[in-house]
Amino acid sequence: EPEVTQTPSHQVTQMGQEVILRCVPISNHLYFYWYRQILGQKVEFLVSFYNNEISEKSEIFDDQFSVERPDGSNFTLKIRSTKLEDSAMYFCASSQQGGVTEAFFGQGTRLTVV
Amino acid sequence: QKEVEQNSGPLSVPEGAIASLNCTYSDRGSQSFFWYRQYSGKSPELIMFIYSNGDKEDGRFTAQLNKASQYVSLLIRDSQPSDSATYLCAVKYGGATNKLIFGTGTLLAVQP
Repeated sequence: EPEVTQTPSHQVTQMGQEVILRCVPISNHLYFYWYRQILGQKVEFLVSFYNNEISEKSEIFDDQFSVERPDGSNFTLKIRSTKLEDSAMYFCASSQQGGVTEAFFGQGTRLTVV
Repeated sequence: QKEVEQNSGPLSVPEGAIASLNCTYSDRGSQSFFWYRQYSGKSPELIMFIYSNGDKEDGRFTAQLNKASQYVSLLIRDSQPSDSATYLCAVKYGGATNKLIFGTGTLLAVQP
């Protein structure tokens, strides 16, 4: 069964460092998303990406965040200068279409900023 | 502010019983509604989605939607200990957005 894959599963970084989280969405999906979940809190939307550009972003997705689809398969989230409060699980998701279609989530990357 | 509300639980049911999980949402323009299951430390796993008023059944799971009351529920029949998890309600609002707004989730504990 096709699935969204994310690497790494766990990353520890020092405050102020840049991190790149990687995702391979399901191959025939066209819409890609990043969500995050701080421990004990809700899953929160960060950004959606379609047709090689950001289609929507949340207030959380400020200038320190960026996304890219560097080739035909990978989808990345970069955090330029990490802060302690960026520590969270980051989930990549993809959906075949927009509208009334389901999004499938990857297994997540646990980011710990120390 | 678009909100999705769930009782955080825990909801405790005996094995074999029906578990009923509820969710309310604030925006009448909401388009579609999703139930995800999340085991501790894991990612959300899609159970089912619904977008029309009424019931939708998939195996032991039934989603119910009442747009007039802005209410969506998930029934789990013949609950098993392996169903013990947090159940997340997520809402996709209408218009151009494709983002999901999640509730806090309801922790379900199925007692053997």
